[in-house]
Parts: sequence; C-alpha cells; structure tokens
Amino acid sequence: DTAVSQTPKYLVTQMGNDKSIKCEQNLGHDTMYWYKQDSKKFLKIMFSYNNKELIINETVPNRFSPKSPDKAHLNLHINSLELGDSAVYFCATTRFGNTGELFFGEGSRLTVL
Amino acid sequence: GIQVEQSPPDLILQEGANSTLRCNFSDSVNNLQWFHQNPWGQLINLFYIPSGTKQNGRLSATTVATERYSLLYISSSQTTDSGVYFCAVVGRSGSRLTFGEGTQLTVNP
Repeated sequence: DTAVSQTPKYLVTQMGNDKSIKCEQNLGHDTMYWYKQDSKKFLKIMFSYNNKELIINETVPNRFSPKSPDKAHLNLHINSLELGDSAVYFCATTRFGNTGELFFGEGSRLTVL
Repeated sequence: GIQVEQSPPDLILQEGANSTLRCNFSDSVNNLQWFHQNPWGQLINLFYIPSGTKQNGRLSATTVATERYSLLYISSSQTTDSGVYFCAVVGRSGSRLTFGEGTQLTVNP
C-alpha cells in the first residue's frame, strides 16, 4: 500500500476550468500538507491541516481551497485555473506538527493550457 | 523566516566518484531532512537529522546544529543517484518546513 497517495497523477485542462486533486494517507498521521513545486523545482508550502483543522495558509490565491473531510484525507480544489497554476502539487504528512519526519505523496502534475 | 542555502547548485560526476553536498541555514533548527527527487519526480526521504550523524548504505549525513550546517555524503556514486537533493529545515521558532533550492546531481556512466 502507498503510504501517501494522490489522484490524479496527471491532469491537463483548459484555462478557466475547476479541478480537484485528492490525497489520502494511511500512516495515521495527524498533519497533512499541500506543497507546490514550480518549473524551477522550488518547493513551497501552500496549506497545512492538523486533524482536520487549518493551521497554515500561505499567501495563496483564494481560488485554491483545501478541504479535509477527515484526518486521513486532504483535498485541493482549484477554481478558474490560470496558466501560472501549472506545476506539480505534492501532498505530504507528518505524525504531528512540524517537528516530525515529512513524507510526500507521488505528486500530481497539473498542466493548464 | 529561516534561510536555507544549498551548494553546489549543480554537480556532475563520473560513476564511482564521491561527493559532498552542503546545506547552510540561518537559525537554530528543530527539524532537518534530506530528500532525493529522482528523475521521475518522486521525493524520497533520505535522512531525518536535526543533529548528529547517520548512515544508510552509501549515503551518510552529518548536521552540526551549533554551526548551522548539514552535509550529505554520497560515496561510490551510481547513475541512479542522479536527481535533485533537497535540504529542508524548521527553524526554532518556525511553523513549517522550509526547503533549499536543491543540488542537481548528474552521475554519468
């Protein structure tokens, strides 16, 4: 079983569309994250949830809305997609908070045309 | 926030060579990790090492927290070691893992 799984792995869509990426973890961890990796490979945190509660919300356009239905899931919904949203989005988890070891999912490559 | 600098930015080796990657950070840290992003984009945990020394096969890492740096050693490099190596830290008063810009390693056969 994959510890942190994301779907879909690849997503190609048109500008203006709305899309979602789902993340599930089976590690029993309390804290989940979304990271964005741009074309220069730079990794930047977007959101962090601890046991379904939003902890970190970086300066991200409000077109991006995370949702955590339960401790094991963190989804990312993006409205009105723009060209600049093209990136790889990684879900990640830690056992609790920011001092534990971080584990990444396999990433979801979003291409906006 | 905490600053993380990795060096060198790019490194090209012949198979079998040894290398040292460096990560400098600007504040005391509660958490430090090394990751390898392989050519397929997967981010693989190498070490969780806020202080001390660890070894895993041909790889080892040392963090000298008092001097604010960490080193990743790769011995007898193989082509499968190619990819980007990231250092990431959480500062003493920080709330999130901050990544360096990575070292792009290419190992040629």
